[in-house]
Amino acid sequence: QKEVEQNSGPLSVPEGAIASLNCTYSDRGSQSFFWYRQYSGKSPELIMFIYSNGDKEDGRFTAQLNKASQYVSLLIRDSQPSDSATYLCAGNTGGFKTIFGAGTRLFVKA
Amino acid sequence: DTGVSQDPRHKITKRGQNVTFRCDPISEHNRLYWYRQTLGQGPEFLTYFQNEAQLEKSRLLSDRFSAERPKGSFSTLEIQRTEQGDSAMYLCASSLVLDREDEKLFFGSGTQLSVL
Repeated sequence: QKEVEQNSGPLSVPEGAIASLNCTYSDRGSQSFFWYRQYSGKSPELIMFIYSNGDKEDGRFTAQLNKASQYVSLLIRDSQPSDSATYLCAGNTGGFKTIFGAGTRLFVKA
Repeated sequence: DTGVSQDPRHKITKRGQNVTFRCDPISEHNRLYWYRQTLGQGPEFLTYFQNEAQLEKSRLLSDRFSAERPKGSFSTLEIQRTEQGDSAMYLCASSLVLDREDEKLFFGSGTQLSVL
């Protein structure tokens, strides 16, 4: 079992819709979780991080963490074509190193 | 530009040759990671350093791979006797870790390795 798992997609949503990206993790010792965005041919860049159970909002992005279910999600409201990218879920595992999932490709159709 | 520099950007080599990549992290960052990424996959953990100490190396990593971070500054990743399966993007990332929760990674542009 991989430490961080994501549905590779692609996920396709129309412009203006809500995109919902999901991630599960296996290490209950993981304390913090991150969402990175990676445009084609570019390196990952951090967009959200969350440490506590519940929701965390930043602009059009909301990260959700449920430690009991070992589940992390990212909601993107009012999706724009510029949001089209691969979204990488990452967890800081019990070994205190950052492990990434395989990423979910998101397409936002104009 | 994140402030993390990697050199070279591209490397083409023949099977069996040795290659070395360099990463210069953000100067005040104490942690440095090496990841490998192939098309359609997320970054795969290779190894990481806290200052000059190498804390962990992936169990999946061949002995042909070695990394150093002398004096806790720049780092090098060497691959000996390269194989075609080593072809990938090699990403370096750095972070300033003050406590166990604080791990925001800043990535370099990567080194694209092609083994012919």
